[in-house]
Amino acid sequence: DAKTTQPTSMDCAEGRAANLPCNHSTISGNEYVYWYRQIHSQGPQYIIHGLKNNETNEMASLIITEDRKSSTLILPHATLRDTAVYYCIVRVAYYGGSQGNLIFGKGTKLSVKP
Amino acid sequence: SAVISQKPSRDICQRGTSLTIQCQVDSQVTMMFWYRQQPGQSLTLIATANQGSEATYESGFVIDKFPISRPNLTFSTLTVSNMSPEDSSIYLCSVVFTALYEQYFGPGTRLTVT
Repeated sequence: DAKTTQPTSMDCAEGRAANLPCNHSTISGNEYVYWYRQIHSQGPQYIIHGLKNNETNEMASLIITEDRKSSTLILPHATLRDTAVYYCIVRVAYYGGSQGNLIFGKGTKLSVKP
Repeated sequence: SAVISQKPSRDICQRGTSLTIQCQVDSQVTMMFWYRQQPGQSLTLIATANQGSEATYESGFVIDKFPISRPNLTFSTLTVSNMSPEDSSIYLCSVVFTALYEQYFGPGTRLTVT
């Protein structure tokens, strides 16, 4: 089973920031938080990942709470093309058998509206 | 990033037949995986494709139904055998280029079994 909890759906106005929450209260010390998104009919796309510090790249920012039990993905200026299902995944930082594989939950369906 | 291609992109097959899906990457990868996404569902890991040895299957998936090959570092195939309508899904190839951080997905193969 997925080790994260996300809202089923969210709406966001175009041009505004989209803040997507994720709870991962059972995260282990060696597990990273990953975010992927899946635009309709496409393969999942990597967005960002982090361990305990906040991270930012050209796509998004990731804010992880100090206790690491929750995080928020921030899309600073959402566009219509950001409409997708967003997956928050926790995973250990190595690949060994099934431990290192991405386990997908149901994600959050983000709808960006004009 | 790298280019991951899958063939075919989609197919409609008859019950009882088999289909082989190809995954080609344009550079060497350390790990290759096969996922399934049933209609309206999230992604489920089928197996890890191991170079030169038998694939490692997840619970609920068996080699007789989903034989996998990986003859080199850039290519893998997944066969869906003796298909039934329940096998109608999107099948996705996924690869890892480093041992730590980023996992990429192919565009998927949309399979419909009639």
